Formats: sequence, structure tokens, C-alpha cells
Amino acid sequence: KQEVTQIPAALSVPEGENLVLNCSFTDSAIYNLQWFRQDPGKGLTSLLLIQSSQREQTSGRLNASLDKSSGRSTLYIAASQPGDSATYLCAGAQAARQLTFGSGTQLTVLP
Amino acid sequence: DTGVSQNPRHKITKRGQNVTFRCDPISEHNRLYWYRQTLGQGPEFLTYFQNEAQLEKSRLLSDRFSAERPKGSFSTLEIQRTEQGDSAMYLCASSSSGAAEAFFGQGTRLTVV
Repeated sequence: KQEVTQIPAALSVPEGENLVLNCSFTDSAIYNLQWFRQDPGKGLTSLLLIQSSQREQTSGRLNASLDKSSGRSTLYIAASQPGDSATYLCAGAQAARQLTFGSGTQLTVLP
Repeated sequence: DTGVSQNPRHKITKRGQNVTFRCDPISEHNRLYWYRQTLGQGPEFLTYFQNEAQLEKSRLLSDRFSAERPKGSFSTLEIQRTEQGDSAMYLCASSSSGAAEAFFGQGTRLTVV
């Protein structure tokens, strides 16, 4: 059974800092990995999708990497802004079916 | 099409009552998923449909829960005889295939009092 872990559970950084969020998974037979953003009381907004054959994806100030052999993914946020404050969730898909989520990293970017 | 739509956004119900939630997926998506999220946790899978067929159900989906997707379009999730432990955010997602990006709705927040 796939297990997904995100460390740290919470992170606070000053505005402008570059940061890395970590995601690890136990089963390397992963179909794809997706990063989401969730604002309080809201649904999930998809940020980046990495297919199992890919090593990284980029969108604006965000870059996500995937290393299946080590069971790790990272989300890099460049030049953080207060508007980036949210909970970031990673999720892996097994056999093209449902997603297994981590518990998320709650990010606070201080002005 | 503006994305996945869920209704209602909030529902407060008394213990023992039945509730029904609706999800309208992105129109060209044939896969539809239901998840449940409790405070401080990531979403947990409940069930998913490919077109009108319900292909997988989690052990979390007790016999009080039932989901349908008639005609492969919108879906409903019904909870019978609600319990306080059912209080959670219920999220719906859709995708065009298993390998494709999943898009989530805004969720339905259920509070059982």
C-alpha cells in the first residue's frame, strides 16, 4: 500500500526567499505525481503534474522534480510571496487509478 | 466550462439524517473521483467512476455511503443515517484518463451535529 509523507508539516519563511517542499513515497511503481495547493476551507488547485517517465516540470516560479528510485519529489518555489501562503499537498497515482495524498505542508510567507 | 462544480458548499445536518451531495465534472472528463478530507489531513480516496461504471470503492466507504453517476455525467454521493464522524470536507475530482491531471472542485463541507 502506497504511503506518502510530507516534511515539514509547517514552514514559515520571509518574503523573497527560495524554498523547497519535500514529498516521499514508499512504492516506486508510481504512475504520476501531482502537486496541489489548498487555501483554508477551499478545494485543491492543481499546480504541477509529473508523469512517471519525466524528471521535472516547471510552471512560472514553481519547479517540481521526481526521483522514482529514491521515492522522492520536491517542489521548489522561487522568490516566495505572501500570496503563496497555503497548504501544499503532493499525491501519487498507482496504476492510473486514485491518488494517495500526503498530509501537506502548511506554508506561511511573511511580508 | 469553468471546472468541477460541487453543491452544496456547506451542509449542516442532525445526526441520523440522510444527506446527498452533487458533483458536476469537467464535461469531457470520463473519470470522476470522490475523496474525503478531515482537518489537518490529506484527502482520502472513497470511490471512482469511469463513465457510469463505479470501478473501485475504498474500505472507507461503509454501507451507509452510496455513489452514483447516471449517464456518465454528474455524480451524487449519499450518506444515510449520518454520524458525527462523517463530518468532513467531501471533494470531487475529474480527469480525462488515469494518467491525466486531476482537477478538484471546491468541496462540500459537512457538519453533523
